[in-house]
Amino acid sequence: AQRVTQPEKLLSVFKGAPVELKCNYSYSGSPELFWYVQYSRQRLQLLLRHISRESIKGFTADLNKGETSFHLKKPFAQEEDSAMYYCALRGTASKLTFGTGTRLQVTL
Amino acid sequence: GAGVSQTPSNKVTEKGKYVELRCDPISGHTALYWYRQSLGQGPEFLIYFQGTGAADDSGLPNDRFFAVRPEGSVSTLKIQRTERGDSAVYLCASSLSGSLDTQYFGPGTRLTVL
Repeated sequence: AQRVTQPEKLLSVFKGAPVELKCNYSYSGSPELFWYVQYSRQRLQLLLRHISRESIKGFTADLNKGETSFHLKKPFAQEEDSAMYYCALRGTASKLTFGTGTRLQVTL
Repeated sequence: GAGVSQTPSNKVTEKGKYVELRCDPISGHTALYWYRQSLGQGPEFLIYFQGTGAADDSGLPNDRFFAVRPEGSVSTLKIQRTERGDSAVYLCASSLSGSLDTQYFGPGTRLTVL
């Protein structure tokens, strides 16, 4: 079975502060990990995937197989980063398994 | 280009009624997925089509749920004898060909069963 855990329902940070959204997974094989973001009144969209190893909107995430984690990080939060963030896993099948999401709130 | 579209955006129905939810994938995308998102939860997989056939329907909760994609493009999710627990946002996603490709999501249909 595959499972994704996002322990924080809400993360509130000040503008300019570092951000770390936690994601842990359970999967017996080699998974593919994703971060999806949903801004207010918008659809779910891909933020980044671990195989791309790229930085999108200043966010990065490193797959740590030893700790089975894929935490999302950004050094300096911006107001426009406020959104709902979902970590997702894809195993051998095509379907995505999502975590319950973390709401990031960036305040002045 | 146009993204994934879903109709209706909102559907209110009464317990026991039948509903159909429609998904128009991105043109040329052969893979189509249905997910369900209940309040406070992440999306949960329901069914995956590759072309016209259901490649994986392991997420359908019971036999009241059924989905079709007869021409390999538009898909319809059908729910019979709706129950209050079926209330959720139903999301559709499509990808170019399947397992390695990015899934692009539609805006969802919010289903409320009274």
